[in-house]
Amino acid sequence: EVQVLESGGGLVQPGGSLRLSCAASGFTLSGNAMNWVRQAPGKGLEWVASISGSGGSIYYADSVEGRFTMSRDISKNTVYLQMNSLRAEDTALYYCAKDNSWLVLERWGQGTLVTVSS
Amino acid sequence: QSALTQPASVSGSPGQSITISCTGTSSDVGGYNYVSWYQQHPGKAPKLLIYDVNTRPSGVSNRFSGSKSGNTASLTISGLQAEDEADYYCSSYRTSGLVFGGGTKLTVL
Repeated sequence: EVQVLESGGGLVQPGGSLRLSCAASGFTLSGNAMNWVRQAPGKGLEWVASISGSGGSIYYADSVEGRFTMSRDISKNTVYLQMNSLRAEDTALYYCAKDNSWLVLERWGQGTLVTVSS
Repeated sequence: QSALTQPASVSGSPGQSITISCTGTSSDVGGYNYVSWYQQHPGKAPKLLIYDVNTRPSGVSNRFSGSKSGNTASLTISGLQAEDEADYYCSSYRTSGLVFGGGTKLTVL
């Protein structure tokens, strides 16, 4: 069964860093694009970043460009989101999602909560 | 990156049909046939309903259908059921990545 499982969320102070992980099972990352999407409490969905199936292309939302870095480890079948210089407005539930081609999010995890507060 | 425009809420009675609109620009909705729709129940992860404007993934009911005209895409749900009460989000490809709509809350009366 195709599944993705996020981890790594928690409480962090403004200006701090956090690394989220997304473990994939039932499929291999090689050849499959992956995405991070976040949802602030009581708000809508916001796309954060995507990595192509080859891993050669990574795209970011303007709101996180320069602060967040998406990567993957094929040997661990895991995708990461390194988040630096965190702000209060980054507080959200972060979802990892498997793509079915490019930017079509066919399978979502349950999310990991990131809270940025002093 | 401005969000796509959706109505905040729509409602309908069981058995009826409703349509949710999603308006963008020629740089996203109007420029590509890469519009998707997602359903999200409270406390749950989103679920893909429609992609490439009007394609349903395997397992999604044929009561859900999508279309597009110009810069506006639409999701139609026919034969409304109580379980359809949820939030619905559209998304579209744009050259800088992906953009979502603000979401529409569907209430089944």
